[in-house]
Amino acid sequence: GNSVTQMEGPVTLSEEAFLTINCTYTATGYPSLFWYVQYPGEGLQLLLKATKADDKGSNKGFEATYRKETTSFHLEKGSVQVSDSAVYFCALSGEGSQGNLIFGKGTKLSVKP
Amino acid sequence: DAGVIQSPRHEVTEMGQEVTLRCKPISGHNSLFWYRQTMMRGLELLIYFNNNVPIDDSGMPEDRFSAKMPNASFSTLKIQPSEPRDSAVYFCASSRTGGVGNTIYFGEGSWLTVV
Repeated sequence: GNSVTQMEGPVTLSEEAFLTINCTYTATGYPSLFWYVQYPGEGLQLLLKATKADDKGSNKGFEATYRKETTSFHLEKGSVQVSDSAVYFCALSGEGSQGNLIFGKGTKLSVKP
Repeated sequence: DAGVIQSPRHEVTEMGQEVTLRCKPISGHNSLFWYRQTMMRGLELLIYFNNNVPIDDSGMPEDRFSAKMPNASFSTLKIQPSEPRDSAVYFCASSRTGGVGNTIYFGEGSWLTVV
């Protein structure tokens, strides 16, 4: 079945450091890929998405590229801020599905000033 | 546009009691999802509806859990009787067409504690 594997946290960085959170997936066909972010005490918010191979999703300085050859969708940001501290979830929506998401376990990011 | 609205935001109940969680999806969205989040298991899809019809309820843990969607603007998730292991955050989410690639919008969650 479809699945998502993302790097385990927590990840602690200093402000302005470079961020990478790895995400790989297993799926048949051509899924859509997503990154969601969850701030403390809140629900999940869509951060970015990509719906076909080689697409790059971007938002708020974050980027992720849909790599079919490596079945990956790694999240990157060049310079993190304290306000980026949150839990980040990689997710996929399988081809032929009704759009329901399969999530990774989440990676907690803490950014220190 | 109002987001997905869930109630209650927080509930503490005693084991054996009935719990009803409520959700109002975003207007115009025709797919609705119930997820559960725990530290141990992460985010799990419990059930989802398309055009008010349950499409897949294979994630519902057991018969104590039931979900309904009587109309396009309202859904409930009921646990009867509740148990301490049901303590979790329950998220309702909705999307416009239910197709692949469509963004799913989440509510802020119902934080359930069963003591």
